[in-house]
Amino acid sequence: EIVLTQSPGTLSLSPGERATLSCRASQSVTGTYLAWYQQKPGQAPRLLIYGASIRATGIPDRFSGTGSGTDFTLTISRLEPEDFAVYYCQHYDSSRAFGQGTKVEIK
Amino acid sequence: EVQLLESGGGLVQPGGSLRLSCAASGFTFSSYAMSWVRQAPGKGLEWVSIISNTGGRTYYPDSLKGRVTISRDNFKNMLYLQMNSLRVEDTAVYFCAGSTSWFNYFHYWGQGTLVTVSS
Repeated sequence: EIVLTQSPGTLSLSPGERATLSCRASQSVTGTYLAWYQQKPGQAPRLLIYGASIRATGIPDRFSGTGSGTDFTLTISRLEPEDFAVYYCQHYDSSRAFGQGTKVEIK
Repeated sequence: EVQLLESGGGLVQPGGSLRLSCAASGFTFSSYAMSWVRQAPGKGLEWVSIISNTGGRTYYPDSLKGRVTISRDNFKNMLYLQMNSLRVEDTAVYFCAGSTSWFNYFHYWGQGTLVTVSS
């Protein structure tokens, strides 16, 4: 079973800055079965990226996903106030495992 | 507009049972595999179970096998989760989520229902 490890645990940044979030898998991910979700307090997760790099419908282009194999990255090019949230990666194979999350907070 | 509306959460004693429901609308429910995902207070996301679009296939993580059962009624556009032998550590918000196929990301999410297991 693949384990996903996200880093850092917390990212403290200012609006307008670039955010780089990492998701590392314990073994190579099947195909590009890697998704990223955003979750704000009291809300359901929201799909951002699937297939490692494909933005979901309605997701701004400041969000981008890259990676393959065991290393994946979510980049937010210029943080907007509404982007401060927790981000989870997920490998949607049989385990459907999630990473433990990265919180992006306002510095 | 896609809607997934969970219900059935509440306070239950350890060892008790609970049945969660999720009412779906705004999309072709019978075409989607459906899952339950939970989130303990202040913690991350944990996938709980999945059922195929027809209901003919289900899958659970080893940690929950035997205690939870997922089912669906495509005529009523409803998803269910029967939880038995509940433990304090099952306390969480339970989300229903839809994906377009068996091995796929969760496209649609409900707002969740809180299950609290406590004496």
